[in-house]
Amino acid sequence: AQSVTQLDSQVPVFEEAPVELRCNYSSSVSVYLFWYVQYPNQGLQLLLKYLSGSTLVKGINGFEAEFNKSQTSFHLRKPSVHISDTAEYFCAVSVDNTGFQKLVFGTGTRLLVSP
Amino acid sequence: KAGVTQTPRYLIKTRGQQVTLSCSPISGHRSVSWYQQTPGQGLQFLFEYFSETQRNKGNFPGRFSGRQFSNSRSEMNVSTLELGDSALYLCASSLDGAYGYTFGSGTRLTVV
Repeated sequence: AQSVTQLDSQVPVFEEAPVELRCNYSSSVSVYLFWYVQYPNQGLQLLLKYLSGSTLVKGINGFEAEFNKSQTSFHLRKPSVHISDTAEYFCAVSVDNTGFQKLVFGTGTRLLVSP
Repeated sequence: KAGVTQTPRYLIKTRGQQVTLSCSPISGHRSVSWYQQTPGQGLQFLFEYFSETQRNKGNFPGRFSGRQFSNSRSEMNVSTLELGDSALYLCASSLDGAYGYTFGSGTRLTVV
């Protein structure tokens, strides 16, 4: 079965500093990978996705992620964070099940940006 | 274009009651999935509908059910509510169930 591990439950960082949120997955087959962000009392917003092709994926709000097949990782990075980036971030893998891509989520990483 | 719309946003119910949540997907999207989010269990897949047919179901008891109408709008029903059903219920839609989903803002259900 596929699974996703987000190693850090919380990451504190100062404004304008770089940040990396870690995500590792396990799967015996090819998967698609996603990062979603959730602001308080909101649903999930797609930041970026890896389906195929270039392993470096650029998303919205200045975020990017790199797919590393050998390390089964899909870490999310931003070179300079803002206060407004404070939110919960979820890594997810989609599993092909009879044509339907079911999302399996990690437990989330809370990014806390302080001035 | 309009996003995924979930109604109501907030709901308070009493144990033993039943509840129906509604989800209107993005226009043209035929796949609708439902997820439950709780602090203890995180985000868990409930079920997915495509063209009015349930294609997949997660590991939830039969009290949780859903349906999809011909216009792709979907409803989720929970019968005989338990305190543990308190959660944020998220609906997501996509064109065909692949390559990423757009989520709604969710319905926060509180069971007292």
